Amino acid sequence: AQSVTQLGSHVSVSEGALVLLRCNYSSSVPPYLFWYVQYPNQGLQLLLKYTSAATLVKGINGFEAEFKKSETSFHLTKPSAHMSDAAEYFCAVRVSGAGSYQLTFGKGTKLSVIP
Amino acid sequence: DAGVIQSPRHEVTEMGQEVTLRCKPISGHDYLFWYRQTMMRGLELLIYFNNNVPIDDSGMPEDRFSAKMPNASFSTLKIQPSEPRDSAVYFCASSPRQGSTYNSPLHFGNGTRLTVT
Repeated sequence: AQSVTQLGSHVSVSEGALVLLRCNYSSSVPPYLFWYVQYPNQGLQLLLKYTSAATLVKGINGFEAEFKKSETSFHLTKPSAHMSDAAEYFCAVRVSGAGSYQLTFGKGTKLSVIP
Repeated sequence: DAGVIQSPRHEVTEMGQEVTLRCKPISGHDYLFWYRQTMMRGLELLIYFNNNVPIDDSGMPEDRFSAKMPNASFSTLKIQPSEPRDSAVYFCASSPRQGSTYNSPLHFGNGTRLTVT
């Protein structure tokens, strides 16, 4: 079965510091991977997605993620945190041919940005 | 593009009452998903539809939950009777069919916060 694990339910960084949010997936076949962001009292918004075209994926708001098959990872990074980045971030996986089209989400990582 | 529209935004009801949550997907999207979000369990898929047909309802907790999609622009999630443990945020999401279906992202509504007392 497909699954993702997000390491760290809460991450705090200073404004201007590097943001690193970790995601590891479990899949026996090449997965499709997504990062979403959720602001308070809102739904999830797509940040970026990996579809095997390139291992380094650039998304909105300056975020990017790198697919590393050897490490089964898809970590999300941003060089310089901004106050507006404070939100909850979710990694998600979908596996083709798994018999279901569902998107499976991690537990989420809440990012706090300290001024 | 108005996005996925859910109603109501908030619902407070007493245990035992029937609750109906509503969703209007983005026009032209073939897939519709219902998710539930709680602190303890995170985001759980309840059911999803393709072209108005339920495909996978294995996440529906029990018979008290039912979902319908009578047409391409409307879906409901009903809980009857409701219980306090059903308190959660319920999200509806839709997705287009773009080439390879598996890389199509989900577009989420703003959710319905359900409180059952």
